[in-house]
Amino acid sequence: GAGVSQTPSNKVTEKGKYVELRCDPISGHTALYWYRQSLGQGPEFLIYFQGTGAADDSGLPNDRFFAVRPEGSVSTLKIQRTERGDSAVYLCASSLSRQDTQYFGPGTRLTVL
Amino acid sequence: AQSVTQLDSQVPVFEEAPVELRCNYSSSVSVYLFWYVQYPNQGLQLLLKYLSGSTLVKGINGFEAEFNKSQTSFHLRKPSVHISDTAEYFCAVSDRDMRFGAGTRLTVKP
Repeated sequence: GAGVSQTPSNKVTEKGKYVELRCDPISGHTALYWYRQSLGQGPEFLIYFQGTGAADDSGLPNDRFFAVRPEGSVSTLKIQRTERGDSAVYLCASSLSRQDTQYFGPGTRLTVL
Repeated sequence: AQSVTQLDSQVPVFEEAPVELRCNYSSSVSVYLFWYVQYPNQGLQLLLKYLSGSTLVKGINGFEAEFNKSQTSFHLRKPSVHISDTAEYFCAVSDRDMRFGAGTRLTVKP
């Protein structure tokens, strides 16, 4: 079946701009996660959704970052007033429930110039 | 809070040689442990996981890992590697959130 998909695969933007990154989880997976992977590092947890609600947003670095999942399926990660330090690969994962295996998408590479 | 340390950032090895990628974790509670592999320009793929039960876990592609609670380790091993095993390997620990190590780049040379 279809895996986790993310769009766009690459996004180049200018400092100060607003960006949205989209994640389509595996159908039926109620848990959805966003991670950020900087060059040479492992993925860093950002936020976890259970259904439509953000059950844990403790990994969001600051209030410029926000994520939604209005219908409990597709999720959008929103970054306001982007900074060069936001450049990274943003990964999305989904699972049947929080303790089940997470399946990762290919990521969106964000470059802030 | 839990954390993960991958002791080797790079591991070069010749084809058909054995390999061990080291992972140590810290956590104040019982955890689940994972190894993921990331091939160039691809997403993370689960190799194996330890949830409970037998401390020796077998995964895909001939990999296995052993959970050692006293040493807080979860080292990944393969008795004979192939060129196609060249990739980045990540150890992860989860009690509430998933925390990843910095990764080990395995390079298999002919």
